[in-house]
Amino acid sequence: ETGVTQTPRHLVMGMTNKKSLKCEQHLGHNAMYWYKQSAKKPLELMFVYNFKEQTENNSVPSRFSPECPNSSHLFLHLHTLQPEDSALYLCASSQDLPTSGRTDTQYFGPGTRLTVL
Amino acid sequence: KNEVEQSPQNLTAQEGEFITINCSYSVGISALHWLQQHPGGGIVSLFMLSSGKKKHGRLIATINIQEKHSSLHIPASHPRDSAVYICAVSRRRGAQKLVFGQGTRLTINP
Repeated sequence: ETGVTQTPRHLVMGMTNKKSLKCEQHLGHNAMYWYKQSAKKPLELMFVYNFKEQTENNSVPSRFSPECPNSSHLFLHLHTLQPEDSALYLCASSQDLPTSGRTDTQYFGPGTRLTVL
Repeated sequence: KNEVEQSPQNLTAQEGEFITINCSYSVGISALHWLQQHPGGGIVSLFMLSSGKKKHGRLIATINIQEKHSSLHIPASHPRDSAVYICAVSRRRGAQKLVFGQGTRLTINP
């Protein structure tokens, strides 16, 4: 148990559906991340939020829309996805903001296994 | 070519063997991370290091900044060590962004 929870753990959706992934961290951290892990590819950073502000968008298609209402919650809204978007989506959090100049350990959630039909 | 390369990609060994997984990187870094991913997906951070050597239980991680190389050692391996081990680096700028290797799938047979 890392202190980062994700729901749902598994999701199957059609290409016309709209769904949301949820992440919650109970660690009092200031930064939260979305990652994508596709089969046989390295983990890819999608978004970074620092204290609710998006600071990194790694050229992610607009069919993925993140939302960070507060520093403990992070959502990933999904709309008109493609089958190639099927992957494990991981959320993570870390203590520090980039202005601290420090690199901090990231704590990962268990992931949401997404299948797009 | 990936900025972070791991070897081997797959490793199968017998219980008790000494395991070494290697990671080479081609960019300037502020820190290197070793992560463990068990079946089912959850990832645990094992080490974050920027110089020298660290120990976590039986596991040992070393880094050589000049050679841009790190190794993860697992002495006296056990079937519960079976997992995917992932190397990742934080660049000097934008230290929150991790660049990942492709992972090494380790299987320890009893």
